[in-house]
Amino acid sequence: DAMVIQNPRYQVTQFGKPVTLSCSQTLNHNVMYWYQQKSSQAPKLLFHYYDKDFNNEADTPDNFQSRRPNTSFCFLDIRSPGLGDAAMYLCATSTRTSGGGEQYFGPGTRLTVT
Amino acid sequence: EDQVTQSPEALRLQEGESSSLNCSYTVSGLRGLFWYRQDPGKGPEFLFTLYSAGEEKEKERLKATLTKKESFLHITAPKPEDSATYLCAVQARDFNKFYFGSGTKLNVKP
Repeated sequence: DAMVIQNPRYQVTQFGKPVTLSCSQTLNHNVMYWYQQKSSQAPKLLFHYYDKDFNNEADTPDNFQSRRPNTSFCFLDIRSPGLGDAAMYLCATSTRTSGGGEQYFGPGTRLTVT
Repeated sequence: EDQVTQSPEALRLQEGESSSLNCSYTVSGLRGLFWYRQDPGKGPEFLFTLYSAGEEKEKERLKATLTKKESFLHITAPKPEDSATYLCAVQARDFNKFYFGSGTKLNVKP
């Protein structure tokens, strides 16, 4: 089945220790997104890629970076995690070429910062 | 300012007790409105897309409707397995801008 995969599902890191979260997709969608979701809150868009074109949300902290080496993979790098960065990180994909804009989400990575 | 508001924040129903969830929005140039289901500790699962006022979509016990200012997710005769958080999102004129509401947490008791 075509899907969006995130690894790891759970990540524990220390305050200030860099961490990388990964996302892969078999849907062959050209748009990939990273969201941050804290408990009982709406998912907050961090950035997205349209093909290789990177788009950063204005309020995304500089501490967050992303890479998309190819169509299938996308990475979220947190350079110096703070306690406030503990959250669920969701990767999603969509295809801009379709009439709809629905997004397909991965299972998420739960990040804990100690 | 573009925003999405969902109500109520939480809803407790008895099995079989029908109800509706609300999603009101203000966005420039609506391209689409989406409903998702999110189970605890998991990513959102796509349910419906609505594009224009008057449109309706159905899937099992769920029916989504859209007006110019809001959308409703009607749940008919819910079962305990319908318990989840239901998220609403709108896609603005900028194709890649999505605005999510905070969700309605639905709990259906047997």
